[in-house]
Amino acid sequence: IVLTQSPGTLSLSPGERATLSCRASQSIGSTLLAWYQQQPGQAPRLLIYDASSRAPGIPDRFSGSGSSTDFTLTISRLEPEDFAVYYCQQYGSSPWTFGQGTKVEI
Amino acid sequence: QLQLQESGPGLVKPSETLSLTCSLSGGSFSSSNYFWGWIRQPPGKGLEWIGTVYYSGNTLYNPSLKSRVTISVDTSKSQFSLKVFSVTAADTAMYYCARGIAATGGRVFDTWGQGTTVTVSS
Repeated sequence: IVLTQSPGTLSLSPGERATLSCRASQSIGSTLLAWYQQQPGQAPRLLIYDASSRAPGIPDRFSGSGSSTDFTLTISRLEPEDFAVYYCQQYGSSPWTFGQGTKVEI
Repeated sequence: QLQLQESGPGLVKPSETLSLTCSLSGGSFSSSNYFWGWIRQPPGKGLEWIGTVYYSGNTLYNPSLKSRVTISVDTSKSQFSLKVFSVTAADTAMYYCARGIAATGGRVFDTWGQGTTVTVSS
């Protein structure tokens, strides 16, 4: 399953709302989608799984929604540390695959 | 707090075997609640799942790599390992080991190592 993330780059200011999209080439079985954040030079960090469940320790400004083929990650109010690259991952069908990433920049 | 650490050669010659080990500290390796995976990221590119080993030793691989990859566990050392055979320049990447959470059947990774860079070059 191919995941297409949009936009490729999102230019926003701290305090603004970010909306990131992830579209699957076919249905991934309801809500079997995760979101990760990757800072430069660091490993990815799990934010959301099962489309909308926040991982432990993740602030509630991060929220996920969607099902089947269309998914969204929303960051309600951007903090300086949120500027990073975000990846979606589907796990409804092997092989588990990742999107190409959305860069959120200032 | 669980920590994962990858180790292995940073340079591998074409056609040879890439071997990496992931060592755990601060957590239980043999719990049935967790699964252990390898993911890689070529320079400037996105993430690719390589495979997952279950606490029982069963494995699941990405079909694109299955014929060249082996993942194994050594519970006595709290380690799991990755071997990629017959490497080419396309295998040059940052390699991460990670823990898969049981709630997702081990398919989502909640704890990652810092990664280790592997370059394939003669």
